[in-house]
Amino acid sequence: QVQLQESGPGLVKPSETLSLTCTVSGGSISSYYWSWIRQPPGKGLEWIGYIYYSGSTNNNPSLKSRVTISIDTSKKQFSLRLSSVTAADTAVYYCARHRGLSDYGNFDSWGQGTLVTVSS
Amino acid sequence: SYELTQPPSVSVSPGQTASITCSGDRLGDKYACWYQQKPGQSPVVVIYQDTKRPSGIPERFSGSNSGNTATLTISGTQPMDEADYYCQAWDSSTGVFGGGTKLTVL
Repeated sequence: QVQLQESGPGLVKPSETLSLTCTVSGGSISSYYWSWIRQPPGKGLEWIGYIYYSGSTNNNPSLKSRVTISIDTSKKQFSLRLSSVTAADTAVYYCARHRGLSDYGNFDSWGQGTLVTVSS
Repeated sequence: SYELTQPPSVSVSPGQTASITCSGDRLGDKYACWYQQKPGQSPVVVIYQDTKRPSGIPERFSGSNSGNTATLTISGTQPMDEADYYCQAWDSSTGVFGGGTKLTVL
């Protein structure tokens, strides 16, 4: 049973860069897509972006060029960097696994989520 | 950008059938999936590829997708089904979630 665990600072100052890492255990990081998803307090889910194990990526256009997702297959980790954060970026951040971008595009495993608060 | 629209809330009596819709342009041409999220927990997929149930998901959960609308149906709804439900699909390699529907069982 694959497990995902997010880690990173719970508090980030406005205009700085949010950095989170997701560690994959109990399964392979290869041949899967890995996404970041966030949920502001009391609100719905928002897809941030994905990285394929080979390194190809795509991000939510609404976040423009603020998002960088990278992967280290040797450590079985992938990471999120979100630059120039504001209070609107305060959310629970989840990492999740999926097998594809269409018929197998469902997120079948999720991390427990980590709350990141943007505040001075 | 592509959008998925869900009703904010649906109410159902225990034992009755609940239907939650998800609307998007030509959604039937894509694959839709549904997630259940209970307070303080991570989402769990209950339907994928429009109609398929992951192992461990009760048979009372079913899905359909045609035209512009995907529907999650819960037959014989139980109090434990009270949760937020989100539809999700992919459009041009971009993930999209619906706004979520709060299902109340009362």
